[in-house]
Amino acid sequence: KQEVTQIPAALSVPEGENLVLNCSFTDSAIYNLQWFRQDPGKGLTSLLLIQSSQREQTSGRLNASLDKSSGRSTLYIAASQPGDSATYLCAVINGNTGKLIFGQGTTLQVKP
Amino acid sequence: DGGITQSPKYLFRKEGQNVTLSCEQNLNHDAMYWYRQDPGQGLRLIYYSQIVNDFQKGDIAEGYSVSREKKESFPLTVTSAQKNPTAFYLCASKPPGETYEQYFGPGTRLTVT
Repeated sequence: KQEVTQIPAALSVPEGENLVLNCSFTDSAIYNLQWFRQDPGKGLTSLLLIQSSQREQTSGRLNASLDKSSGRSTLYIAASQPGDSATYLCAVINGNTGKLIFGQGTTLQVKP
Repeated sequence: DGGITQSPKYLFRKEGQNVTLSCEQNLNHDAMYWYRQDPGQGLRLIYYSQIVNDFQKGDIAEGYSVSREKKESFPLTVTSAQKNPTAFYLCASKPPGETYEQYFGPGTRLTVT
């Protein structure tokens, strides 16, 4: 059974720092991996989707990498800003049903 | 504007009552999903539907029911059999093919007392 883990559960950094969020999964037979952002009380916003054949995806200050063999993905945020404060969730898609299996999330606080 | 709408944003019910949460999308997506989120936890899949008039149980379907009579709509009923219904409920949809992203609605927070 696929399990997804995100470490750390919470992270606090000063503005301007570069940071890395970690996501690990137990079954490497995944189709895609998706990173989301969630603001308090809100729905999820998709940040990046990495297909199983890809190693990384970039969008602005965000870069997500995928290493299927080790069961890991990282989300790199460059030059963090207070507006980046949110919970970041990773999820894997195991099969063609599109079912997402989520990690518990990392809550990020960027202090001015 | 294309997107997914969920209503209402906040819902309050007494224990023992059934309640239906609405999810509508105008993205012309085939697949739709219902997830539940509890504090400090990731999302867990309740039900999903890949085409109209067909749906499948997710990991925590007990105490819930769904219907998919129209492509645009996938309502979720929380029945009195659900032991811990208070949670944040999120609906999502996805275009055909396994490489596409899932798009999420704004969520409904259900409180049962």
